[in-house]
Amino acid sequence: GAGVSQTPSNKVTEKGKYVELRCDPISGHTALYWYRQSLGQGPEFLIYFQGTGAADDSGLPNDRFFAVRPEGSVSTLKIQRTERGDSAVYLCASSPGTRISNEQFFGPGTRLTVL
Amino acid sequence: GQSLEQPSEVTAVEGAIVQINCTYQTSGFYGLSWYQQHDGGAPTFLSYNGLDGLEETGRFSSFLSRSDSYGYLLLQELQMKDSASYFCAVGLDSNYQLIWGAGTKLIIKP
Repeated sequence: GAGVSQTPSNKVTEKGKYVELRCDPISGHTALYWYRQSLGQGPEFLIYFQGTGAADDSGLPNDRFFAVRPEGSVSTLKIQRTERGDSAVYLCASSPGTRISNEQFFGPGTRLTVL
Repeated sequence: GQSLEQPSEVTAVEGAIVQINCTYQTSGFYGLSWYQQHDGGAPTFLSYNGLDGLEETGRFSSFLSRSDSYGYLLLQELQMKDSASYFCAVGLDSNYQLIWGAGTKLIIKP
């Protein structure tokens, strides 16, 4: 079956612009996570969805970041007024449940570059 | 704060055994996971330890000592394809949030 997919794979934008990053989780997975990974670092938690609702958005760095998952499947991470410091690889992961022992399945990521 | 410490880089020879250590200081602890990530690729799950002791999955094993706040990943019969970064990640509670280490780059020489 298909894994987690993310689009676009690369996004170059100018400082101050708005971007949307899309994640298609594995079918049937109720949990969806967004992470941000900078070079040489581990993934940094941003937000977690259980179904349609954001169960925890405590990792979002500020109010320029927002994410939705309106039908409990596809999710979109939205970044307003992008800054150069937002440049990173944005990873999406899904899992069938919420327990820590549930493996998280990662997508290939979207590399965001803010010029 | 939360912190996970793992070596930044480890070098080993093809066919050998290598151990990657992880020590953690976190506000909670539910379990320790290990993920592999090749350059430019997505992290992929390797193992999970919820209880003390050794978990074995093929050539990979993972160990946890909760009393020492310590775990390790053991890779045996190293192959060139094992060259990648390896991350330990702590689950703070029974739910979802993982706190990740900075990763260990494993370099394998023929």
